Amino acid sequence: GNSVTQMEGPVTLSEEAFLTINCTYTATGYPSLFWYVQYPGEGLQLLLKATKADDKGSNKGFEATYRKETTSFHLEKGSVQVSDSAVYFCALSTYFGNEKLTFGTGTRLTIIP
Amino acid sequence: NAGVTQTPKFQVLKTGQSMTLQCAQDMNHNSMYWYRQDPGMGLRLIYYSASEGTTDKGEVPNGYNVSRLNKREFSLRLESAAPSQTSVYFCASPGQSNYGYTFGSGTRLTVV
Repeated sequence: GNSVTQMEGPVTLSEEAFLTINCTYTATGYPSLFWYVQYPGEGLQLLLKATKADDKGSNKGFEATYRKETTSFHLEKGSVQVSDSAVYFCALSTYFGNEKLTFGTGTRLTIIP
Repeated sequence: NAGVTQTPKFQVLKTGQSMTLQCAQDMNHNSMYWYRQDPGMGLRLIYYSASEGTTDKGEVPNGYNVSRLNKREFSLRLESAAPSQTSVYFCASPGQSNYGYTFGSGTRLTVV
C-alpha cells in the first residue's frame, strides 16, 4: 500500500535560517506528491505539488523536487520567517482512478525571531 | 467564497451520546472525504464518497457512519461516542488529484 514517512518534529529555527523537512514515500503506480500547511486553528492548505518525476513544485519561497530514484519529496526554503510557523504535511495520491490522499504524520515548525 | 464548510467548529460530548458533523462543498466536486487528525498520527481517512450515492470505508471507519445526502453534502455520524473519538475532524473535497484538496476548517470534538 501507499505510505509517507516524514521527518520527525518539532523543528525550531531562527528567522532567516535554511529549512529542510524530509519526506519519503512508498507507492504503487505513479503518484502525485503534495505539501500541505496547517496554520494554528485552521484547516490544511495546499502549499505545492508535483505530478511527475523531476518536477519541482514551488510557492511562497518553498520548493520541493519529485525524486523518483530516491522516492523523496523534501521541502526546502532558503530563509524562513516567523509567519512560516505551522505544521507541514507531506502527502501523495495515485492518479489513476484513486484520488485518496495518504498523509505523513506532520512536522511542526516554529520560527523564533 | 468557494470552498468546504463544516459545522460545528467545537463540540463536547459525553460518552455514549450521538452527534452528526455536517459538511458542504460548493465546488461541484464529485468526491468528498472525512479525515480525523490526531497528534503524531497525521490525518487518517475515515470514510469517503467518490460520487453522489456512494460511500466507502477508509482506514479507520469503526464507530462512524456517513451519508452522502446530495452532491453538496456529506455528513459524518457518531452513534455512540467514545473517548477514543476525541479528535479534530476535517472534511475535504478534491478536484482531480493534480489540484489537491480543499479542506474545511475542522471540528474539534472532545468526548468525556
